[in-house]
Amino acid sequence: GAGVSQTPSNKVTEKGKYVELRCDPISGHTALYWYRQSLGQGPEFLIYFQGTGAADDSGLPNDRFFAVRPEGSVSTLKIQRTERGDSAVYLCASSLNGQGATDTQYFGPGTRLTVL
Amino acid sequence: SQQGEEDPQALSIQEGENATMNCSYKTSINNLQWYRQNSGRGLVHLILIRSNEREKHSGRLRVTLDTSKKSSSLLITASRAADTASYFCATPRGGSNYKLTFGKGTLLTVNP
Repeated sequence: GAGVSQTPSNKVTEKGKYVELRCDPISGHTALYWYRQSLGQGPEFLIYFQGTGAADDSGLPNDRFFAVRPEGSVSTLKIQRTERGDSAVYLCASSLNGQGATDTQYFGPGTRLTVL
Repeated sequence: SQQGEEDPQALSIQEGENATMNCSYKTSINNLQWYRQNSGRGLVHLILIRSNEREKHSGRLRVTLDTSKKSSSLLITASRAADTASYFCATPRGGSNYKLTFGKGTLLTVNP
């Protein structure tokens, strides 16, 4: 079936604006993750959903960042009052269940966010 | 903070040669995974090795894991130009199986 998809692929916004980034996970995957990757760095964990609930949001940098997954499938990452430092590639991943030592995360193509 | 650190940061080889990348990590792990990333976008999962495994193969890929040294290596044999990408190791941290921590990656360039 289809892999993880993310929209938009690129988003340019102005400082102070609000943005939403969307993720469609692989069908049947109950676990969903958001990561952020800055230039020259590896991805950094933001949040993990198990079903509809955020099981671990310890990676969210501050309260300007929020994510939802209301029906346990599609997820939206929301950033309020964007800052230039928020510019990065935002990656979404999904996995079968988020449990077990062999549960594999499959990544989407990412959304490149640029805050001017 | 980043748990895994890849070495070298960059590697340039000729097509047909083998490429070896290394990863070191700091704390106990349940598994270690290798991912490939082209052009700074989506990551492709290559291979997962569990903490009780020492070696694993997948096609032209060979991964080893030495838990006593907290290190892993990824070997790509008979490299191709299409293997040009950044390679990351990732380990779950904080006692979880899901919170992956990535290193900065190794940029591999395979010259035709």
